[in-house]
Amino acid sequence: EAQVTQNPRYLITVTGKKLTVTCSQNMNHEYMSWYRQDPGLGLRQIYYSMNVEVTDKGDVPEGYKVSRKEKRNFPLILESPSPNQTSLYFCASSPYRAGEQFFGPGTRLTVL
Amino acid sequence: SQQGEEDPQALSIQEGENATMNCSYKTSINNLQWYRQNSGRGLVHLILIRSNEREKHSGRLRVTLDTSKKSSSLLITASRAADTASYFCATDDSGNTPLVFGKGTRLSVIA
Repeated sequence: EAQVTQNPRYLITVTGKKLTVTCSQNMNHEYMSWYRQDPGLGLRQIYYSMNVEVTDKGDVPEGYKVSRKEKRNFPLILESPSPNQTSLYFCASSPYRAGEQFFGPGTRLTVL
Repeated sequence: SQQGEEDPQALSIQEGENATMNCSYKTSINNLQWYRQNSGRGLVHLILIRSNEREKHSGRLRVTLDTSKKSSSLLITASRAADTASYFCATDDSGNTPLVFGKGTRLSVIA
């Protein structure tokens, strides 16, 4: 089944404790991206990747890191999480930049 | 980056009625897409309309695009309770930038 998976789905952590949210797609898509969704602010892009080893900042990249060592995986890293990073996070993939986006199920992160 | 803006922010209708949502944007686009999101879940792609198209249909969905007014509308006919969700437009502008999503319209269909 074609899909985007994210793990974990739910995470409660404390300020400053490094964490990684994994994202994997099985559709051989070139393009992958990370979004955060907050009430009243809609969906905002954090980082995106056009291809392996090519990543770029989105609208809200501060406090986040990404890597794209393999085509299928695009992990999101929070080196030192803070409470303002409490949010619902989505990974998405697409055959190309402006194509149909396939979204993962989301990761609900709470930083205390 | 530009952002599509959906209107209204929230819409409540009775089952069987039609629902219309609008999206306005500021700069020229290559395509515009509509997505649905059930509460707390990932967005699901509904339809893509290119800048040289004026109307597209998919089942009970009808999307129009008016590039002169920089706006698009999504019509859901004969709505069902299962259509209750948030609906987002996403625009691809003419540059090499990522898709930009609006803040969405929250649709409630009451049985």
